[in-house]
Amino acid sequence: GAGVSQSPSNKVTEKGKDVELRCDPISGHTALYWYRQSLGQGLEFLIYFQGNSAPDKSGLPSDRFSAERTGGSVSTLTIQRTQQEDSAVYLCASGPGTKNIQYFGAGTRLSVL
Amino acid sequence: TQLLEQSPQFLSIQEGENLTVYCNSSSVFSSLQWYRQEPGEGPVLLVTVVTGGEVKKLKRLTFQFGDARKDSSLHITAAQPGDTGLDLCAGGDGNKLVFGAGTILRVKS
Repeated sequence: GAGVSQSPSNKVTEKGKDVELRCDPISGHTALYWYRQSLGQGLEFLIYFQGNSAPDKSGLPSDRFSAERTGGSVSTLTIQRTQQEDSAVYLCASGPGTKNIQYFGAGTRLSVL
Repeated sequence: TQLLEQSPQFLSIQEGENLTVYCNSSSVFSSLQWYRQEPGEGPVLLVTVVTGGEVKKLKRLTFQFGDARKDSSLHITAAQPGDTGLDLCAGGDGNKLVFGAGTILRVKS
């Protein structure tokens, strides 16, 4: 498909386990964003990649969260030692890198038991 | 930290009614976007406004950016059940977007 693809769509894990969430952006998009959306809340910015520049990690809530983007395309968000408060929908968006135009994936719903 | 407040948080109306949702901030934004999110999906961009006082129309939807670029409104004429969803505003903050918490809109037929 031509849109942003995220996998898995749902992830249930036990407290303390590590999880990896994947994002396949729209081909050719240089910008990639990760957000977290908790129930009844707006989107919380986590991290932003733009081309080969150093990522903006200012939104990561703790050092348990990390993300990488390989080859300027696919991105993986890793959460180590998951906690129950990490339960949320994690959304990825990609864009052409101008005017904050962002196209979102359907998200990964993470449930930490 | 720039914040966007949306009101109302929840709105339930009958098909055919008009409504307005608001997005307010004490900060100036370079641009403001409105997104609609349906359950189980990611937000979809509806419109971007960049100029103070700008008004954009998209079929039954009218978007306005405040003169001071601190607030915006979304007016829906003759709401339809298909308008049901979460309406989100987002302000441009450099290379990032700051999102409001959204207005949950339910249109009953």
